[in-house]
Amino acid sequence: NAGVTQTPKFRILKIGQSMTLQCAQDMNHNYMYWYRQDPGMGLKLIYYSVGAGITDKGEVPNGYNVSRSTTEDFPLRLELAAPSQTSVYFCASKHTQRGANNSPLHFGNGTRLTVT
Amino acid sequence: AQSVTQLGSHVSVSEGALVLLRCNYSSSVPPYLFWYVQYPNQGLQLLLKYTTGATLVKGINGFEAEFKKSETSFHLTKPSAHMSDAAEYFCAVSETGFQKLVFGTGTRLLVSP
Repeated sequence: NAGVTQTPKFRILKIGQSMTLQCAQDMNHNYMYWYRQDPGMGLKLIYYSVGAGITDKGEVPNGYNVSRSTTEDFPLRLELAAPSQTSVYFCASKHTQRGANNSPLHFGNGTRLTVT
Repeated sequence: AQSVTQLGSHVSVSEGALVLLRCNYSSSVPPYLFWYVQYPNQGLQLLLKYTTGATLVKGINGFEAEFKKSETSFHLTKPSAHMSDAAEYFCAVSETGFQKLVFGTGTRLLVSP
């Protein structure tokens, strides 16, 4: 099993450029998440999705957009890149039944993004 | 609102020494608690989790954690550190009925020979 796959691994953007971070999982998980990780700040939730066609904002959604057209894919879009978006981005997924919230997250290996 | 506090951004131990990483949580309802480990240039991996039942939870690689409701703590321990334990460790909390995990700021464990 591939698990959660993120592409690209690294990317350098100029201010104002746009890009899409790709995330795909092959575990048929219904829940998917995007986090950003900054030194000393832990992980902050950007967006999440509880199933195809359903997305919601996390703690730090400004400057980002997501879509979930299939169960497998959950791309993260940056429309106008800013230096504050320099970070490591992690996609994660889990399978959860109604009322059960103890399933662990499965993480991808991350995308390291630099905006200059 | 749920939150997690990890005391100490860096912890240094000698190989063979006890590892103790501290985590305190805040939650308005009984929480689910997790410890994750992150090795360099990798994503996070689950070490262990507490849901209900036994308060002492055993995880992978010899780690364990004890849920203490009276102290709102979920500290991570390992009796004897190994060089391969050097990594960053994250405590996380999730509340019943909510599907979002809130992470602490992480503790980097350094192991010296």
